[in-house]
Amino acid sequence: GAGVSQSPSNKVTEKGKDVELRCDPISGHTALYWYRQSLGQGLEFLIYFQGNSAPDKSGLPSDRFSAERTGGSVSTLTIQRTQQEDSAVYLCASSLGTLYNEQFFGPGTRLTVL
Amino acid sequence: GENVEQHPSTLSVQEGDSAVIKCTYSDSASNYFPWYKQELGKGPQLIIDIRSNVGEKKDQRIAVTLNKTAKHFSLHITETQPEDSAVYFCAAARGNYQLIWGAGTKLIIKP
Repeated sequence: GAGVSQSPSNKVTEKGKDVELRCDPISGHTALYWYRQSLGQGLEFLIYFQGNSAPDKSGLPSDRFSAERTGGSVSTLTIQRTQQEDSAVYLCASSLGTLYNEQFFGPGTRLTVL
Repeated sequence: GENVEQHPSTLSVQEGDSAVIKCTYSDSASNYFPWYKQELGKGPQLIIDIRSNVGEKKDQRIAVTLNKTAKHFSLHITETQPEDSAVYFCAAARGNYQLIWGAGTKLIIKP
């Protein structure tokens, strides 16, 4: 079956521009995570969606970052007024819901801010 | 808050030898410890996990051990093969749905 997909795979933008990153989770997965992975670093938690519950936004690094999940499926991560330090790989993962369920990751979006 | 340290950052072993990667965590309440493997250009993939009520778990050439008292857990890969070359991440649970991740270990299998 189809896995988690993300688009675009690569995004180059100029400092100050807004970007939108998209994630299509596995059908039926109620949980969706966004992570940021900087070069040589682990995964930094950004935001968590679970079903119709209010998302946990505690990992978002600033108010320039926001995310939404429409209809419990597709999610969009938006970064406004991008900065060079936003350059990283943004990973999306989905799971069946509990912590003990495997997180299935997409291939990521590599964001480069010039 | 929870912190996970992972060592070494790079590990080079001869094909056929064993590899061991170690992680320590700070939150004694953590009860779930997965290991993920990330190949170049792909997202991480779960390879094995362990809950705090067991001390060891094996799956063919891969095993994970957990020492709750010392707050550390390790990944053991035996009879390493070229396809084992990748970056490996450990993680520890925080709360009901968050994972705190180690910085990763790049495993290189030398032919």
